[in-house]
Amino acid sequence: QKEVEQDPGPLSVPEGAIVSLNCTYSNSAFQYFMWYRQYSRKGPELLMYTYSSGNKEDGRFTAQVDKSSKYISLFIRDSQPSDSATYLCAMSESGNTPLVFGKGTRLSVIA
Amino acid sequence: NAGVTQTPKFRILKIGQSMTLQCTQDMNHNYMYWYRQDPGMGLKLIYYSVGAGITDKGEVPNGYNVSRSTTEDFPLRLELAAPSQTSVYFCASSYSRHEQYFGPGTRLTVT
Repeated sequence: QKEVEQDPGPLSVPEGAIVSLNCTYSNSAFQYFMWYRQYSRKGPELLMYTYSSGNKEDGRFTAQVDKSSKYISLFIRDSQPSDSATYLCAMSESGNTPLVFGKGTRLSVIA
Repeated sequence: NAGVTQTPKFRILKIGQSMTLQCTQDMNHNYMYWYRQDPGMGLKLIYYSVGAGITDKGEVPNGYNVSRSTTEDFPLRLELAAPSQTSVYFCASSYSRHEQYFGPGTRLTVT
C-alpha cells in the first residue's frame, strides 16, 4: 500500500462548481498536511497548510483533515478557469521529517 | 526577491555525460531540497540540506550528488547520465519543513 494515495484525474468541472479533491494515507504518524497547486510547466506553490485534524479556510479554499479516517480534502468554492492546475497533497510526521507527496490531481475548470 | 532560481531551464544529455543543475535562493532559508517529477508520479525527494555543509539522502539519491557550501546555493550533480534520469527537476527552499518554495524546474532529457 502506497503511503499517500491521490486520484490523478483528470477532473473537469464547469465554472462556478464546488470542487472536492482528496487524499488518503496509511501512516498514522502524519501530523502536518499541505496542499500545493502546480500550473502547467511551473513549480508547485503552497496553497494550504494544516496541522493535525480540523478545517482551515482561506477565501474560496477549505482544507479538511480527518485523522481518524486518514483522509484529507481540499474544497474549492465558485471554481474559476484560473483554478485549472494540478493539486498535490503532501504530509509529514513532524517538523523534522521530509514531506511525502501524492501524485497530484489534474483539474480543469471550463468557462 | 527572485525567490528560487534554477538553471538551465532545459537540457539534453547523451548517456554517460555529466552535468550540474544549479539552484540559488535569496530568502536566507536553511532548508533546501532537490526533487524529481516524472509524469503521473508526483514529487520524489532526491537530496536535502538543513544548512550549509549538511546534506542528506532522500528517497531516490542513486546517480546524484549534492553539496552545500553556502546558504544560497545547492547544486545537484549528475554523473554518468542514464535514460532513467530523464525527468523534471525542482529545487525548493524553506524556513520550516512545510512551507517550501519551489523553483521553475529544469527539464532534462537523457538520450
